[in-house]
Amino acid sequence: EAGVAQSPRYKIIEKRQSVAFWCNPISGHATLYWYQQILGQGPKLLIQFQNNGVVDDSQLPKDRFSAERLKGVDSTLKIQPAKLEDSAVYLCASSLFRYRVGTEAFFGQGTRLTVV
Amino acid sequence: EDKVVQSPLSLVVHEGDTVTLNCSYEVTNFRSLLWYKQEKKAPTFLFMLTSSGIEKKSGRLSSILDKKELFSILNITATQTGDSAIYLCAVTSGSRLTFGEGTQLTVNP
Repeated sequence: EAGVAQSPRYKIIEKRQSVAFWCNPISGHATLYWYQQILGQGPKLLIQFQNNGVVDDSQLPKDRFSAERLKGVDSTLKIQPAKLEDSAVYLCASSLFRYRVGTEAFFGQGTRLTVV
Repeated sequence: EDKVVQSPLSLVVHEGDTVTLNCSYEVTNFRSLLWYKQEKKAPTFLFMLTSSGIEKKSGRLSSILDKKELFSILNITATQTGDSAIYLCAVTSGSRLTFGEGTQLTVNP
């Protein structure tokens, strides 16, 4: 079974530039998550999709971050404009269900973003 | 606000030692507690715990949940250098998965 695919693996940009990350979840997984993990911290949920609808974006900095999952499969996360504090690993995860009992999330390899 | 607290934040041991990692939580509508191992970037799933007192075991790793006291422990016996990683505890409440800060485990030869 193919895992969660993310690209790019690494990205270095200057502050105020824009960047986009792509995620392809495990086939058949309806739920998709984007997490931000700053060095030395645990992952923080940015946004959660159920199919192509947003179910939780309460921690997404909406003035600069946006995400979409148009056809309920692939998703993109965009940052515009980037700030130095956005330097982090961006993890995409997917699961069959919305975290009901008995379901775990599977993670992609992540994208390491460095903003200089 | 949901909260997951892990301790210790970092731990250095020698090969062969046994370690216990702790995870306490305060969440509404608890559903399950999960342990992940993160070596480079992607956390990999270890255990899911939903019921108190039932130990989950996989090789040298085991974990148990106490829903009354709101905590879980992850035990690793006979540690190996390959166990060096960040161990993440996460709790599902409602539809959200909240992570702790992780425990950085270093196993020296």
